[in-house]
Amino acid sequence: EVQLVESGGGLVQPGGSLRLSCAASGFTFSSYWMTWVRQAPGKGLEWVANIKEDGSQKYYVDSVKGRFTVSRDNAKNSLYLQMNSLRAEDTAVYYCARGRYSSTYWGQGTLVTVSS
Amino acid sequence: QSALTQPASVSGSPGQSITISCTGTSSDIGTFDYVSWYQQHPDKAPKLILYDVSTRPSGVSSRFSGSKSGNAASLTISGLQAEDEADYYCRSFTSSNTLVFGGGTKLTVL
Repeated sequence: EVQLVESGGGLVQPGGSLRLSCAASGFTFSSYWMTWVRQAPGKGLEWVANIKEDGSQKYYVDSVKGRFTVSRDNAKNSLYLQMNSLRAEDTAVYYCARGRYSSTYWGQGTLVTVSS
Repeated sequence: QSALTQPASVSGSPGQSITISCTGTSSDIGTFDYVSWYQQHPDKAPKLILYDVSTRPSGVSSRFSGSKSGNAASLTISGLQAEDEADYYCRSFTSSNTLVFGGGTKLTVL
């Protein structure tokens, strides 16, 4: 059974940093692009970033470029999102999902709240 | 990276059919057939219901169908059922190698 489990969310002050993790199981992690998607409270879905199977290609939505970094450790079947210089508008539930063009499997999400 | 355009809400009665539109540009929907649709119930993770414009993943009802014409895609749900009441999002690959979602459509089953 495919499972994606996010962790690392929490309350952080504006300008602070947070690292999200996504533990994958039930499939060959190193064979898939992986994606981060977020959803602000009461708002729609926003694609944030993705990363190629071997980590050689990474893409970001404009609003997080230069602040967020997506990475992966295929040996640990894990996906990461390092978030720096956090802003109030980054407050959201962050989901990890499998796939590049479409996302068949999703985690349950982890809530990030940026507030003083 | 502007969001794709979807109607904020649609509604229909049980047994009826509804269509949700998703309008993009020549830099996304108009060029790529990588349009996917997601269903999201309150406080749940999104669920993939269509990919590559019109392909249903295993286990998704045949009541869900998709199409594309020019810069726009659409999702049709036939034989509406109460459990179809949810938010629906389209998503497309773009010429910048990024992806973009629509703003979402709230479906109400009357």
